[in-house]
Amino acid sequence: DAKTTQPPSMDCAEGRAANLPCNHSTISGNEYVYWYRQIHSQGPQYIIHGLKNNETNEMASLIITEDRKSSTLILPHATLRDTAVYYCIVQANTGNQFYFGTGTSLTVIP
Amino acid sequence: DGGITQSPKYLFRKEGQNVTLSCEQNLNHDAMYWYRQDPGQGLRLIYYSQIVNDFQKGDIAEGYSVSREKKESFPLTVTSAQKNPTAFYLCASSMAREYVQFFGPGTRLTVL
Repeated sequence: DAKTTQPPSMDCAEGRAANLPCNHSTISGNEYVYWYRQIHSQGPQYIIHGLKNNETNEMASLIITEDRKSSTLILPHATLRDTAVYYCIVQANTGNQFYFGTGTSLTVIP
Repeated sequence: DGGITQSPKYLFRKEGQNVTLSCEQNLNHDAMYWYRQDPGQGLRLIYYSQIVNDFQKGDIAEGYSVSREKKESFPLTVTSAQKNPTAFYLCASSMAREYVQFFGPGTRLTVL
């Protein structure tokens, strides 16, 4: 039962902003939006999470629509090292596991 | 240097043998998790533990066993009952009630 929908793949030019969309139309009021990324054959790396407000940290920005049915992860200046699979997850802070789908494979092109 | 360690990075075993994968964390996290990842797929939860001496089955626990005798350690045993054990195994941990999970580097198990 997929809670999120992401495009399977995207390309981005090096140095440009990468905008990764995620649809979560059935999100509940107590569910957070989390973003992780996984570089090939490594463990997933936490990027950012949010509930309602937009969030920014040293890695990325998270923009959540007012109705919370979709969000966008923004990598402001993509580098070749940002090439990875990006996972969008919705999860209430009462659960015990993250449901990882197949994510978006982002390729940063020189 | 705090973090989660998994060993070994690559593991080869013969069919029918039990094998134990190590996961250690020095983040003082209460909760620990084991996931399995198959090629081109997302992660699936095998077992999780919220406190020492307690653990619960995830979605695909059959053929696996765990223990949680110490807060820092959560070893996973892949038994001979697991029909298709070849996969990438990931361990994670989180603070209790804070659900950002941090992952280890993974162990790639190949059963010959």
